[in-house]
Amino acid sequence: GAVVSQHPSRVICKSGTSVKIECRSLDFQATTMFWYRQFPKQSLMLMATSNEGSKATYEQGVEKDKFLINHASLTLSTLTVTSAHPEDSSFYICSARASGVQETQYFGPGTRLLVL
Amino acid sequence: AQTVTQSQPEMSVQEAETVTLSCTYDTSENNYYLFWYKQPPSRQMILVIRQEAYKQQNATENRFSVNFQKAAKSFSLKISDSQLGDTAMYFCAFIEDQGAQKLVFGQGTRLTINP
Repeated sequence: GAVVSQHPSRVICKSGTSVKIECRSLDFQATTMFWYRQFPKQSLMLMATSNEGSKATYEQGVEKDKFLINHASLTLSTLTVTSAHPEDSSFYICSARASGVQETQYFGPGTRLLVL
Repeated sequence: AQTVTQSQPEMSVQEAETVTLSCTYDTSENNYYLFWYKQPPSRQMILVIRQEAYKQQNATENRFSVNFQKAAKSFSLKISDSQLGDTAMYFCAFIEDQGAQKLVFGQGTRLTINP
């Protein structure tokens, strides 16, 4: 149980285009999902907290107009990187917290984004 | 603000040996949770073990066990009979019981198990 999927696993796009990454909880309902960014050989950096049916809460320094987050259902959250630039190239990971189990997050497999 | 510190950037042991990864944290909260996550080369984050601060008994999961010292704010991970598949980055993480409930990660320890 507690499986989280991400799609796509890898994406290459041209500078200026937008990319959407999906995060799904497959066998549980997730009222809260989280989006992280990870640079090579570094720890995870929280970008935003996504609550079902409400606006996401962004961490300091993360541009909300650049990284659009939508959490339309209890099993799906999406991250859209708008007008992507090479500096947005990174590994993006989502996690989901099950309803009623407040403390444990289960992670998706991550999405590697390369902007040319 | 809560912080998590892993003082060992890299460790390396022989297969079948026992290895201990260190983690210290700083918080003013009394109720919280601590985790060890494993990130193998696939980069999938895998939950290894979880400890509730209000429980004095150390958590164990098969070959993985923790030494939780609440007063010292220490949370080390012991891997017994290490296997090649244990090679990964290991992240210690903290989450408070109330409030924002954001996971705070340590910097990670890169563990290599040698054959």
